[in-house]
Amino acid sequence: NAGVTQTPKFQVLKTGQSMTLQCAQDMNHNSMYWYRQDPGMGLRLIYYSASEGTTDKGEVPNGYNVSRLNKREFSLRLESAAPSQTSVYFCASNYEDGYNEQFFGPGTRLTVL
Amino acid sequence: GNSVTQMEGPVTLSEEAFLTINCTYTATGYPSLFWYVQYPGEGLQLLLKATKADDKGSNKGFEATYRKETTSFHLEKGSVQVSDSAVYFCALSNYGQNFVFGPGTRLSVLP
Repeated sequence: NAGVTQTPKFQVLKTGQSMTLQCAQDMNHNSMYWYRQDPGMGLRLIYYSASEGTTDKGEVPNGYNVSRLNKREFSLRLESAAPSQTSVYFCASNYEDGYNEQFFGPGTRLTVL
Repeated sequence: GNSVTQMEGPVTLSEEAFLTINCTYTATGYPSLFWYVQYPGEGLQLLLKATKADDKGSNKGFEATYRKETTSFHLEKGSVQVSDSAVYFCALSNYGQNFVFGPGTRLSVLP
């Protein structure tokens, strides 16, 4: 039982390049989330998916797109990376019912030059 | 809307000292409350949780009690260790609404 996995662990991009961050969970959770973590800013929700086939914007969606490929996988795409997107990105999942905790992946550390 | 306020720190303690990290919340209805811990270079891990008023969550010597009358969920540990050095996040969840995380409190424990 791997929990929530993320790839890659580290990535360096140049401004304007694109990339996709991958996330998968093996806990049969219905909901999945993408957060970014910046120094002094805590965790900010980028996008979430309450169930397979649905996605919704969070607090800071600009510059990102997501795909809920199936129940297990939820990817985050940066179409044209900017230095302001330098951050640590975390994927999370849970059974969303107001009671259940979110389970987090190990994170992707992204630097945009 | 829902919100979580916690002391931002950093908090620096000597080994075996008593720890309190304050957390208060604003929410409608009856949210569930959580404490997460983040060790350097890792993702967030659930430390403990409470789903209704007066519940006490506990794990690894840490405790927190859900106090609806004071809208608080303070984290305590009687004797901290160097290995407890980490960032601690208070969070709440309300049905049909997204998780809300506090800003995190960095704890450093000195030997």
